[in-house]
Amino acid sequence: KQEVTQIPAALSVPEGENLVLNCSFTDSAIYNLQWFRQDPGKGLTSLLLIQSSQREQTSGRLNASLDKSSGRSTLYIAASQPGDSATYLCAMDSSYKLIFGSGTRLLVRP
Amino acid sequence: NAGVTQTPKFQVLKTGQSMTLQCAQDMNHEYMSWYRQDPGMGLRLIHYSVGAGITDQGEVPNGYNVSRSTTEDFPLRLLSAAPSQTSVYFCASGPGVDTDTQYFGPGTRLTVL
Repeated sequence: KQEVTQIPAALSVPEGENLVLNCSFTDSAIYNLQWFRQDPGKGLTSLLLIQSSQREQTSGRLNASLDKSSGRSTLYIAASQPGDSATYLCAMDSSYKLIFGSGTRLLVRP
Repeated sequence: NAGVTQTPKFQVLKTGQSMTLQCAQDMNHEYMSWYRQDPGMGLRLIHYSVGAGITDQGEVPNGYNVSRSTTEDFPLRLLSAAPSQTSVYFCASGPGVDTDTQYFGPGTRLTVL
């Protein structure tokens, strides 16, 4: 069974810190790996999508990497801000069916 | 361009009642899907559609029906609601012709008593 695991489940950091969120998946035959942000009571906002042929994608302070051979992806957030506080979800795209991890709940303290 | 819209935002049902969750997208995507989100379980795929008239089951399809008569709309029907269907339901649209990104609606929070 295809599974996606996110570690840690929760993370609390002081403002300004650089941080890394981890995602591991069991199936190397993925199409894409997508990172989402979810604020409490809200829907999912797509942050970055890495195609299977790519190694990384960057958007502003966010950088996501993909290593298919080891089944891992990381989301790097530089110079974290209180506004970054949210739950971050990674999803493995298997033929356009997304398989989600349980998320990392991030709190950035002022 | 509204993206993905879902109605209603909140709904309370009694066991055995039926209802339809509405989802619409204005991005001309062929692919649409429904997920449910439960604490500790993450999001799980219920049903998906690769185009008008074509639907298929996801990981947790039991108790739900779907149909796709137009590209824009993809309603999810609960035939006889059960407490186990208490959840937050998200509709997704995409990928499209020019992007692999899937876009999610704001969700419907459903409680079955």
